[in-house]
Amino acid sequence: EVQLVESGGGLVQPGGSLRLSCAASGFTFSSYAMTWVRQAPGKGLQWVSVISGSGGSTDYADSVKGRFTISRDNSKNTLYLQMNSLRAEDTAVYYCAKDQVVGGTGFLMDYWGQGIQVTVSS
Amino acid sequence: SYELTQPLSVSVALGQTARITCGGNNIGSKNVHWYQQKPGQAPVLVIYRDSNRPSGIPERFSGSNSGNTATLTISRAQAGDEADYYCQLWDSSTVFGGGTKLTVL
Repeated sequence: EVQLVESGGGLVQPGGSLRLSCAASGFTFSSYAMTWVRQAPGKGLQWVSVISGSGGSTDYADSVKGRFTISRDNSKNTLYLQMNSLRAEDTAVYYCAKDQVVGGTGFLMDYWGQGIQVTVSS
Repeated sequence: SYELTQPLSVSVALGQTARITCGGNNIGSKNVHWYQQKPGQAPVLVIYRDSNRPSGIPERFSGSNSGNTATLTISRAQAGDEADYYCQLWDSSTVFGGGTKLTVL
């Protein structure tokens, strides 16, 4: 059974940093691209970032480029999102999601974690 | 950047057919995916690549895509289908529609 469990969220002041983790199990982690998607309170889904299975390719939404860094440790089956220079508008539930296709590019997400709250406020 | 347009809300009578649209420029040339999200829960993939159902998704869920509109159709709507539905595709980056709240009356 595929499981994705996010952790590391919480309350942080504007300008602060936070690192989210997503522990994966139930599939060959290194074979799949992984994605972070967020959802601000009462709003829709917003794509944040994607990383290839090997970790050699990454991409970011313009709104987080230069502030967020996606990475993965395939030996630990864990996905990360390092968030720096956080702003109030980064407040959201953050989901990690798995690509459907082996060796795919992360554009189709078939399993999602339960989400983790990140609140940026003074 | 590519934009996807969904109606804010759709209502359907119990047991009837609901259609949720997703509009975009020449969207028929792209692969469209649909997600269902119930309150307080993570999204669930219900249709991928326009018209394919993942295992475990009822046959009542179907999809189509042509021209400038992709459509998610839910036949014999049930109370448990009440949720927000999002279309999604890739066009230089992953894009989500704004979401449609489905109400079953």
